[in-house]
Amino acid sequence: DQQVKQNSPSLSVQEGRISILNCDYTNSMFDYFLWYKKYPAEGPTFLISISSIKDKNEDGRFTVFLNKSAKHLSLHIVPSQPGDSAVYFCAASLGMDSNYQLIWGAGTKLIIKP
Amino acid sequence: DGGITQSPKYLFRKEGQNVTLSCEQNLNHDAMYWYRQDPGQGLRLIYYSQIVNDFQKGDIAEGYSVSREKKESFPLTVTSAQKNPTAFYLCASSLAYNEQFFGPGTRLTVL
Repeated sequence: DQQVKQNSPSLSVQEGRISILNCDYTNSMFDYFLWYKKYPAEGPTFLISISSIKDKNEDGRFTVFLNKSAKHLSLHIVPSQPGDSAVYFCAASLGMDSNYQLIWGAGTKLIIKP
Repeated sequence: DGGITQSPKYLFRKEGQNVTLSCEQNLNHDAMYWYRQDPGQGLRLIYYSQIVNDFQKGDIAEGYSVSREKKESFPLTVTSAQKNPTAFYLCASSLAYNEQFFGPGTRLTVL
C-alpha cells in the first residue's frame, strides 16, 4: 500500500504564478517530510523539509505547509520560473525507528509555461 | 568538492550477466542507499547501509547484492536473478538523520 501519495502526475502553471504541489500520507507516525526536485536522467536534489512539530517552513521562493490532521502537505513555489520545470517528489520518514528510511511518493511533473 | 559519484552513466548488459554499479561518496556520510526508479514511479529502496560491513534489504532486494567494505563505497551488483533489471539506479548517502544526497544515477539497459 502506498503510504505517501502524490495524486497529480502532472501540473502546468504559467510563469510568474504560484505552483502548488500536493502530497498525502497515511501513517500518522511520520515525523519528518522532505521535498526533492528531479530533472530527467539526474539524481534528485533536496529542496526543503519540515518536521512534524511545525506547520510551515519557508526558504526563499519555496514554502512547505503541513496539515497533520488532514495528513496532507503541500509545496508552494512563488513565483514560478522556467527552471522550476521538473519532477517533484515528496518523501516521509519514520525517524530512528525505521533507520531513517524515506518513503517516497510517485512524483508530480511540474511544467512552467512561458 | 564533496559529492557522490556513480559510474558508469549508461550501462548495457546481456541477459544472464551480472553487472556491478559503482557508488562513491566523499561527504563522510555514515549511511548509503540504493534506489531504483522506473518510468512514472517513485524511488524504490533496494538496499541500505548504516555503517561499514553492515547492510539491510529494502523493499525490492531480490536479484541484487551489495557490499560495504569502506565508508566511502557502496557498490551494487545486479545479478542474473533480477527478472527486470532495466531501470535508472540511484545511489544516495546521508548523515544519521533524514536528508539524503543523491548521485547522478546509472541507466542500466538489458539487451
